Amino acid sequence: NAGVTQTPKFQVLKTGQSMTLQCAQDMNHNSMYWYRQDPGMGLRLIYYSASEGTTDKGEVPNGYNVSRLNKREFSLRLESAAPSQTSVYFCASRKTGTSGAYEQYFGPGTRLTVT
Amino acid sequence: LAKTTQPISMDSYEGQEVNITCSHNNIATNDYITWYQQFPSQGPRFIIQGYKTKVTNEVASLFIPADRKSSTLSLPRVSLSDTAVYYCLVGLHSGNTPLVFGKGTRLSVIA
Repeated sequence: NAGVTQTPKFQVLKTGQSMTLQCAQDMNHNSMYWYRQDPGMGLRLIYYSASEGTTDKGEVPNGYNVSRLNKREFSLRLESAAPSQTSVYFCASRKTGTSGAYEQYFGPGTRLTVT
Repeated sequence: LAKTTQPISMDSYEGQEVNITCSHNNIATNDYITWYQQFPSQGPRFIIQGYKTKVTNEVASLFIPADRKSSTLSLPRVSLSDTAVYYCLVGLHSGNTPLVFGKGTRLSVIA
């Protein structure tokens, strides 16, 4: 099992460029998430998908769009990158059910710099 | 989601036991308490989870008092490799309630 994989690992963009961050999980998890983490800060939720076919905004959705392509894949798109979007982006997935709580698995992150 | 409060940072010497307390006064009946650890340049990873009383695994112990308004993560005999940020999260964790991370507690272990 690869767990949660993210591509690319590093990316440098110029202001106004667009790009898509890819995320895939092989654990058959229902829920997937995108977070960003700025230096010295905690993680902030951008978007999440509770199940295939659904997506919802998190704390900081402005400037981003997402696609839950299938159960395995959840992509994050920056349509017009801005320097304020320089950050480390983490994708995560979690098994969810009707009761209890389940641990969340994180990918290795994508380090994005916008100049 | 229940709001959590934890210290911003802590220092400890190697070999000591470290206790990090998290306050969650408005925890709901069905909420679980979960702790994550994050090393520099890595994503967070699950450490331990509990609902009430005490939970222990190979990494840590989690103490939860009867009123569940706080919890304490205990790391026995820390080493330099335990230097990380530790996050306390509270919630039902169903698909419609995503995990929300605060700023966590930055633990520095000193030789």
